[in-house]
Amino acid sequence: EAQVTQNPRYLITVTGKKLTVTCSQNMNHEYMSWYRQDPGLGLRQIYYSMNVEVTDKGDVPEGYKVSRKEKRNFPLILESPSPNQTSLYFCASSPWGGGRNQPQHFGDGTRLSIL
Amino acid sequence: ILNVEQSPQSLHVQEGDSTNFTCSFPSSNFYALHWYRWETAKSPEALFVMTLNGDEKKKGRISATLNTKEGYSYLYIKGSQPEDSATYLCASSGTYKYIFGTGTRLKVLA
Repeated sequence: EAQVTQNPRYLITVTGKKLTVTCSQNMNHEYMSWYRQDPGLGLRQIYYSMNVEVTDKGDVPEGYKVSRKEKRNFPLILESPSPNQTSLYFCASSPWGGGRNQPQHFGDGTRLSIL
Repeated sequence: ILNVEQSPQSLHVQEGDSTNFTCSFPSSNFYALHWYRWETAKSPEALFVMTLNGDEKKKGRISATLNTKEGYSYLYIKGSQPEDSATYLCASSGTYKYIFGTGTRLKVLA
């Protein structure tokens, strides 16, 4: 089954404790992206990747890191999480470089609470 | 940051009613307009991607139009059903970035 898989689905942690949210897709998609969703603000793009080893900032990259060492994986790293990073996070992928005219496929989301 | 705006914010309709929502986007640096359907506790699912001015797409009772010159897209639902209840998101994509609107929350009353 074609899918985007995120882990964990839920996480409660404390300020400053490094965490990684994994994202993996099995569709051989070139483009992958991370979003956060906050009430009243809609989905905001954190980082995206056009292909292996090629990443760039979205609109809200502060406090986040990403890497794309393999085509299928695009982990989101919070080196020193803070309470303002409490949010619902989605990973998404689409077929080819940029994915501009292709729909994105979304993972099931990760709800992070940082105390 | 480009602004994508959706209206109305929320909408209640009776089963069988037809309805439509609006997505407004800046026409500069535009490449594609995306519509997604997002049910509570699930992930957004793609409905349409449109790129050309005048594009019209249809999937069952749902259709969408695109006007890139004036920067808007309409989503239409004909004969709404309770299972159409969801948040409908639009997003404008430029080069590699996506800008989402805050969505229109539709509730269809049986």
